Amino acid sequence: DAGVTQSPTHLIKTRGQQVTLRCSPKSGHDTVSWYQQALGQGPQFIFQYYEEEERQRGNFPDRFSGHQFPNYSSELNVNALLLGDSALYLCASSLGLAGGGEQYFGPGTRLTVT
Amino acid sequence: AQSVTQLDSQVPVFEEAPVELRCNYSSSVSVYLFWYVQYPNQGLQLLLKYLSGSTLVKGINGFEAEFNKSQTSFHLRKPSVHISDTAEYFCAVSERDSSASKIIFGSGTRLSIRP
Repeated sequence: DAGVTQSPTHLIKTRGQQVTLRCSPKSGHDTVSWYQQALGQGPQFIFQYYEEEERQRGNFPDRFSGHQFPNYSSELNVNALLLGDSALYLCASSLGLAGGGEQYFGPGTRLTVT
Repeated sequence: AQSVTQLDSQVPVFEEAPVELRCNYSSSVSVYLFWYVQYPNQGLQLLLKYLSGSTLVKGINGFEAEFNKSQTSFHLRKPSVHISDTAEYFCAVSERDSSASKIIFGSGTRLSIRP
């Protein structure tokens, strides 16, 4: 049973560019959450998708957008990249929206903005 | 709103010694509590969680944590650590009665084990 997978593993972009990160949830999961983890910090919640809709959003600007597909996979898009967007981006999947359920994390995508 | 404070950014300890990683949280509503571990260059793995019931929670790899509601704490303990426990540990909370399960993480504690 494959766990959460993310692609690519590493990415280098230039300021002002746009980037798309991808996530496939664990088999049987229907909810995907995205987190940003800056170096030396804990993960920060970006947003959560369920039934192809954004259900909750953290304190991130509109440059961060996402999408969930009918097969529950998800994309995170970041426009007009800033140096401060350099971070590890983690995807987590779970079953349903209710809190308390375990969220399974992928290995992350390391984004470097130069 | 919720917040999580991990009181120690780094904890060095000798192999086979006991360890405690401290965590305090703040919330105006009831929360679930979690401890996650992150090994170098990997994602997060759930160690244990407190949902309800007994305040002493046992997790994987010999770790346990105790929920103290009056002190709003959820400290993580292990009686004897191993070199393989070297990792970053994150305490986290999520809102109990919510239709969305976002997790709020602390800033992490780096556990380094000395032989």
